[in-house]
Amino acid sequence: SQQGEEDPQALSIQEGENATMNCSYKTSINNLQWYRQNSGRGLVHLILIRSNEREKHSGRLRVTLDTSKKSSSLLITASRAADTASYFCATVLRTGGFKTIFGAGTRLFVKA
Amino acid sequence: GAGVSQSPSNKVTEKGKDVELRCDPISGHTALYWYRQSLGQGLEFLIYFQGNSAPDKSGLPSDRFSAERTGGSVSTLTIQRTQQEDSAVYLCASSRSDRVDNEQFFGPGTRLTVL
Repeated sequence: SQQGEEDPQALSIQEGENATMNCSYKTSINNLQWYRQNSGRGLVHLILIRSNEREKHSGRLRVTLDTSKKSSSLLITASRAADTASYFCATVLRTGGFKTIFGAGTRLFVKA
Repeated sequence: GAGVSQSPSNKVTEKGKDVELRCDPISGHTALYWYRQSLGQGLEFLIYFQGNSAPDKSGLPSDRFSAERTGGSVSTLTIQRTQQEDSAVYLCASSRSDRVDNEQFFGPGTRLTVL
């Protein structure tokens, strides 16, 4: 199966709530990135965390990385209807050059 | 242009025909990627070009698929003898290549439908 698997597959929350999405991967990575995809803006890079980092913040986003468990989580705080999108984790393999492997994504729906 | 562009935006073809999909990366970006996304699925890596190095073709699903990158800029993905299972959105992305952790900038994609 593909490197980078997200869960849950789908998530529905109320505006203002927090959303947490998880990603697991199988092989050693150089870095892990999160992307968002919606119909209006296509695929957009959100945040990158390197293999030697454990946590990173960007605005309302918080990403954690646990290389011992080969997992990452993306937390979106105080969600907004505009956060409705699919979220993908992508791993850049340690020995794969620039080859990037995307997971199947989590579909987030934020109800106004 | 400010971003990655792809053409055509939509392509409908008959089974067995060949198709060419084009990608114009961001000027100055030397890394270029092709992905395929089926409905409701994640992105499937197809091929990546890095400067003048030999491309990584490890994701191409069959020998009907090929890609070129001319002059280190524009890339063309060719699918020969298309099959219905080739129907998907084909996404192109580019990035600066001086660091392995550069973000990728995606184009809007080409939606391919094989009848």
